[in-house]
Amino acid sequence: GAGVSQTPSNKVTEKGKYVELRCDPISGHTALYWYRQSLGQGPEFLIYFQGTGAADDSGLPNDRFFAVRPEGSVSTLKIQRTERGDSAVYLCASSLMVEGEQFFGPGTRLTVL
Amino acid sequence: AQSVAQPEDQVNVAEGNPLTVKCTYSVSGNPYLFWYVQYPNRGLQFLLKYITGDNLVKGSYGFEAEFNKSQTSFHLKKPSALVSDSALYFCAVRPRSYNTDKLIFGTGTRLQVFP
Repeated sequence: GAGVSQTPSNKVTEKGKYVELRCDPISGHTALYWYRQSLGQGPEFLIYFQGTGAADDSGLPNDRFFAVRPEGSVSTLKIQRTERGDSAVYLCASSLMVEGEQFFGPGTRLTVL
Repeated sequence: AQSVAQPEDQVNVAEGNPLTVKCTYSVSGNPYLFWYVQYPNRGLQFLLKYITGDNLVKGSYGFEAEFNKSQTSFHLKKPSALVSDSALYFCAVRPRSYNTDKLIFGTGTRLQVFP
């Protein structure tokens, strides 16, 4: 498709488990961003990539969160030892270049029981 | 701390009437300013942005926004509201910094347009 896609659309897991969330950016977009949106809040920045490297990971809440983009396209957000407070919608966005308009995917709703 | 404020949780307006959704920001320098809209079960959609130049910016679906530097505001406006405009609206800023490209979002304003 032409837009940003995210899989899965919904993920339910148990406290303490490991999860991976995938983002497929728009083809050719060099910059990729992860945000987290809790209920009733605006999206909060987690990390962004320029190409394969993480240019700013200052929004990652702690070391349980990690993201990769090994080939400069698809990205995976990894959460270890999930906690109930991690429950949120995780949004991915991409842009053609840094400082370009960010296009958002539909998000992955993560529920930690 | 850098922040974006949307003082109204909800704005109600009758169809055909003008609407305003308010946004103020606290970010150093001259940030880029954005409005996004979120429909149920859909991703955030870009509406418009201010980079530089004319303080009145026109965007998608007949929306426009007015940048006011002295008041650090970027209010979203539309001359005549439609029922289909009912959605959640987010204001966002991007600091002009060499070491980050993140968006800082407000908490959102739910717009309800009544027929």
